[in-house]
Amino acid sequence: AQKVTQAQTEISVVEKEDVTLDCVYETRDTTYYLFWYKQPPSGELVFLIRRNSFDEQNEISGRYSWNFQKSTSSFNFTITASQVVDSAVYFCALSAPYNTDKLIFGTGTRLQVFP
Amino acid sequence: EAGVTQFPSHSVIEKGQTVTLRCDPISGHDNLYWYRRVMGKEIKFLLHFVKESKQDESGMPNNRFLAERTGGTYSTLKVQPAELEDSGVYFCASSQDRWEDEQYFGPGTRLTVT
Repeated sequence: AQKVTQAQTEISVVEKEDVTLDCVYETRDTTYYLFWYKQPPSGELVFLIRRNSFDEQNEISGRYSWNFQKSTSSFNFTITASQVVDSAVYFCALSAPYNTDKLIFGTGTRLQVFP
Repeated sequence: EAGVTQFPSHSVIEKGQTVTLRCDPISGHDNLYWYRRVMGKEIKFLLHFVKESKQDESGMPNNRFLAERTGGTYSTLKVQPAELEDSGVYFCASSQDRWEDEQYFGPGTRLTVT
């Protein structure tokens, strides 16, 4: 069975702090994708990143970085120098293409960044 | 390029009534997905269309839910009759290529059944 766990329900930080959102996944597939989506107050889900299971290189995009570790089945997301505009609900998701391309989501982590 | 649009943004209906949600995918996207998030839980897959055909409807909760995709363009999701547990946010997503393209989501329709 496939499952995504986001143990942190809500995180509050003050602007300019670094924050890490945890994501742990379970799958028996050897080929899979991991995703992060952001849901700002406006409601839409905004795609942030997709990572292939064969690519364990960490990725950095501006203030965002992702740490993928197959050994611990984790795909954590770090925001450096957080800003108020980062306040949103963040979802981690998993898909196993070539089997089914539906996304399996975690329950989301609400991040509040205070000025 | 216009994104995925959904209508209405919010619907409040009474138990037993019928509601129809609409999704317009990004132009040219053959793949269309419906998901639902109930009361702070995870977002769950409902079904997947490839053009006008249902590819996977394993997530549809019961036969009160009917999804259609006319001519492979927009899609509708009808709930008839609605029950209290159907309340939640219904998301639609589309993608161009099933295996190589990420899914682009719409803003969702918040359904409240009273």
